[in-house]
Amino acid sequence: NAGVTQTPKFRVLKTGQSMTLLCAQDMNHEYMYWYRQDPGMGLRLIHYSVGEGTTAKGEVPDGYNVSRLKKQNFLLGLESAAPSQTSVYFCASLWTSGKWPGELFFGEGSRLTVL
Amino acid sequence: GEDVEQHPSTLSVQEGDSAVIKCTYSDSASNYFPWYKQELGKGPQLIIDIRSNVGEKKDQRIAVTLNKTAKHFSLHITETQPEDSAVYFCAATGNQFYFGTGTSLTVIP
Repeated sequence: NAGVTQTPKFRVLKTGQSMTLLCAQDMNHEYMYWYRQDPGMGLRLIHYSVGEGTTAKGEVPDGYNVSRLKKQNFLLGLESAAPSQTSVYFCASLWTSGKWPGELFFGEGSRLTVL
Repeated sequence: GEDVEQHPSTLSVQEGDSAVIKCTYSDSASNYFPWYKQELGKGPQLIIDIRSNVGEKKDQRIAVTLNKTAKHFSLHITETQPEDSAVYFCAATGNQFYFGTGTSLTVIP
């Protein structure tokens, strides 16, 4: 059981380049999230999805786009990368057992550097 | 949105001592308070949680207390071990998870 898998794990971009981070979960969870983690700022929500075909903005959505075409996949895109987007990105899916909310399952993170 | 403050940002303790991490939140509608542990190079993992209808919960060496009136909750780790060294995040949850800024705990053997 792989859980939540993120690819790639590391990436270096130049300012203005584009890229996509892929998150895949094999737990059949409806809710999925993208967070960024920066020193001294904890985990901040970028975008989230409450089910296949849905997306919504989180706390820091500017400069990012997302898509949830399949239930198991949640993609995070950067159309024109900026140095301020240098960060560690975490994908998570939410297990709910009927009592809201449940447990977040995180991937191992994707470290992105924008030069 | 919710505002979660977490203290201290770093904490060093001797092996066997206790460690306490404190969080405050602003939104009285928050009703679920999980704690996540992040080991180096890994994603955060849930270690314990508490809901607003409970004042304290314990699981072996870790415990969480909640004071809804004062809007604060705390993580207590007793008999600390080197493997407890990690970054710990609190969160307050209503419709979304709002995380604190993290506490880096170092347990000195």
